[in-house]
Amino acid sequence: AQKITQTQPGMFVQEKEAVTLDCTYDTSDPSYGLFWYKQPSSGEMIFLIYQGSYDQQNATEGRYSLNFQKARKSANLVISASQLGDSAMYFCAMREMDSNYQLIWGAGTKLIIKP
Amino acid sequence: ETGVTQSPTHLIKTRGQQVTLRCSSQSGHNTVSWYQQALGQGPQFIFQYYREEENGRGNFPPRFSGLQFPNYSSELNVNALELDDSALYLCASSLYGFTDTQYFGPGTRLTVL
Repeated sequence: AQKITQTQPGMFVQEKEAVTLDCTYDTSDPSYGLFWYKQPSSGEMIFLIYQGSYDQQNATEGRYSLNFQKARKSANLVISASQLGDSAMYFCAMREMDSNYQLIWGAGTKLIIKP
Repeated sequence: ETGVTQSPTHLIKTRGQQVTLRCSSQSGHNTVSWYQQALGQGPQFIFQYYREEENGRGNFPPRFSGLQFPNYSSELNVNALELDDSALYLCASSLYGFTDTQYFGPGTRLTVL
């Protein structure tokens, strides 16, 4: 079974609009962390935001926020006021405490911001 | 503070050859992880090194091997290259903690002909 599911292969969004990228996960480990990374066409993975399973509040980092719904096993990334430079692949990843700290990745969502 | 660097940027090899990819970790980091990313897919975990020891491995055959050096830089070696080994190879460095973020280098794009 897929541990990380990103159901949106691609999205087009108008510049300055907010965008939500979906991520659902599957784990029986009570201790886990969720990460979002951005990968521009250059290939480098850029860390955006982290949410721990025991964190009480949703994580925020500048224009990025994470809508964490633990019971639904959902960790959606919200980008406010999108910019042309936000066009990239976005990956959701999970790390479980019992998995040697490896990151397990989703298939990604390709986000294109339209001017 | 220097970030994670990888070399070479691009590499072309033929089937059956051997290749070594290199990674310099970010200053202060003691853990290096390697990932393989095929075109159009998410990365797949190859292995992780902490203080020169492999302490985690994904579903990759033994012909994928690695090293970590005392300065925490690392190498990924792949023997007997196959066409399916063509991919972007990403190195990430971090501290060794469950909540510690992995920071990635720019990757090495390997093409096997």
